[in-house]
Parts: sequence; structure tokens; C-alpha cells
Amino acid sequence: ETGVTQSPTHLIKTRGQQVTLRCSSQSGHNTVSWYQQALGQGPQFIFQYYREEENGRGNFPPRFSGLQFPNYSSELNVNALELDDSALYLCASSPPTGPSYEQYFGPGTRLTVT
Amino acid sequence: RKEVEQDPGPFNVPEGATVAFNCTYSNSASQSFFWYRQDCRKEPKLLMSVYSSGNEDGRFTAQLNRASQYISLLIRDSKLSDSATYLCVVIPYGSSNTGKLIFGQGTTLQVKP
Repeated sequence: ETGVTQSPTHLIKTRGQQVTLRCSSQSGHNTVSWYQQALGQGPQFIFQYYREEENGRGNFPPRFSGLQFPNYSSELNVNALELDDSALYLCASSPPTGPSYEQYFGPGTRLTVT
Repeated sequence: RKEVEQDPGPFNVPEGATVAFNCTYSNSASQSFFWYRQDCRKEPKLLMSVYSSGNEDGRFTAQLNRASQYISLLIRDSKLSDSATYLCVVIPYGSSNTGKLIFGQGTTLQVKP
């Protein structure tokens, strides 16, 4: 277990709805990254949060947004859900020292959009 | 063209076999390279970093060939517990401070008794 927790574990939403996914980073980790993993694919980087600011973003539209809180936990918000948003959403936290590739993943939230 | 490409497999091998996976990357300026392991319906976990000089961790050997832009992972004496998806990961140039990991599709390994 990495100590990174995510909620909920599973979620079913309808196209057009909005969803919020939550992530609690490992104790002492101040950086959180979010990834989307479609079935049969590798994870794709959505964005990273550091000190409550977005610190890098992948090729995702603006309807994917996030927040980081003072306790370093984070939220991923997706508006106007599309069928292709169905995926496993992973968050990963990183310690304040050490390389940025040292990321510890949570178990993920499996989102199904119908 | 995908930034990181892997043969998805599956690779079905008997226990004790040696198996090798390759991965190619498109950006010659990519900085850092890794192999992650992902068990079925679980999160990815860092298996090992990959260096040009090659590195070994027990039964696992990773190699980087910058000239040909490929990364390899060799598993010797396969165990049933090695069954998983192996993800090739690259950090693109200029992304070392953003934590952006570029994952390949993953290669699935099934080790049979």
C-alpha cells in the first residue's frame, strides 16, 4: 500500500453530468498528479498540482480541472462528461524532495459514463 | 505516432523462462526512463529506472539504447508472480519539474506453471 487514497472507488455517471474525484496524498507528499487510464491503455497525464497551483498539464480540454488544498489533498473535476471519459482515474503523490518521477499511485477511481 | 510504443502482447511463457520486452520512444530529447509494473485492476508501481549503462535488480535487467531510441526489460527465471502488465515510462525533455510521465500502452506477461 502506498498510502495514497482515492474516493470513490467506482462511479457511474450520465453523459453531460459533472463529476468530482478525490485524492489524499501520502503523508508528507506535497505534489499530486492525475492520470486517466482507458481500458487496455497506459495512463495519460492530465495535470499536476504543487503548492495548490497547477504545475504542468497534458492534452486534456479545459473541462478537466483540479484543485489542491492546504493539506495537499486534491480533487479532479470533469464537466460535461462524454462517453470517452469512461476510464480509471489515478492520482499519484510525490515527496517534497527527490525526483519528480518518484510517484506513488493510489488505487484509482473507475468512472463509467453512460 | 505515439510518443512511447510497446507491443501489448500478451506474452505467454512457462515458469523459468527468460522473456524480454522492448519499448520505443519518439522524442530523442527524452530525459529519463523507467519500467512500471501494473497488476490486474491495481495501480502502477515503479519497478526500476533505466540507465544507458544498463542496470540489474535481481532477475530483472533494464537497458537503454539512446541511438536507437529503445528501452528493454529482461526477466530471467520467470515466476508466476511476475504475471502483470509492464509499462514503459519516459519523461519528456523539459518535463522533469512537472512530474509528467509518458506511459506506453503496456505489455502483458502471463507466466504459466
